Amino acid sequence: NAGVTQTPKFQVLKTGQSMTLQCAQDMNHNSMYWYRQDPGMGLRLIYYSASEGTTDKGEVPNGYNVSRLNKREFSLRLESAAPSQTSVYFCASSGRDRGDYGYTFGSGTRLTVV
Amino acid sequence: KQEVTQIPAALSVPEGENLVLNCSFTDSAIYNLQWFRQDPGKGLTSLLLIQSSQREQTSGRLNASLDKSSGRSTLYIAASQPGDSATYLCAVSTDSWGKFQFGAGTQVVVTP
Repeated sequence: NAGVTQTPKFQVLKTGQSMTLQCAQDMNHNSMYWYRQDPGMGLRLIYYSASEGTTDKGEVPNGYNVSRLNKREFSLRLESAAPSQTSVYFCASSGRDRGDYGYTFGSGTRLTVV
Repeated sequence: KQEVTQIPAALSVPEGENLVLNCSFTDSAIYNLQWFRQDPGKGLTSLLLIQSSQREQTSGRLNASLDKSSGRSTLYIAASQPGDSATYLCAVSTDSWGKFQFGAGTQVVVTP
């Protein structure tokens, strides 16, 4: 089924460890996004990629890096995890470039930093 | 900065009643607005997207209205069913890059 796939679904890290969250879409979308969701808050944009080879900061980029590996894949890296990065991370894609702003979301990665 | 507010945070209604969910935003210069549904432990599903030039969008039992001048959108769900129980989030975009500012959501419980 067409959609957005995120891996892993769950992860526990120790403070200072690094990891990469993977996201891949087969919607042929140019635009991809990373959000985090914390209890009682709406989703907040971390980084986005308008097209292959481009990335830009969102509202809360500190402590994160991203790579748009190709049109399908957009990864999020935590270089030195901190307890404040405990959250649920969602990847999304859209066909913004062809006027389709509707989002398709992945099922999320639940990350705990201890 | 665009602020998006959804009140109430939680809502419980008996099956068959119409649901009315509210969303307000502070900057009326929006590009589009999107309503999502989120089930526990799951990702978000896009329900309706309204372009800034539109006043409403409809899909089945769902209808979303947009009043930019007052900074409000309302999602109506007709004849609610227990399967409508979920958290509903409103999100607003203020540019063409497809970036959205989300509200915290309204958690809905429809009781049989």
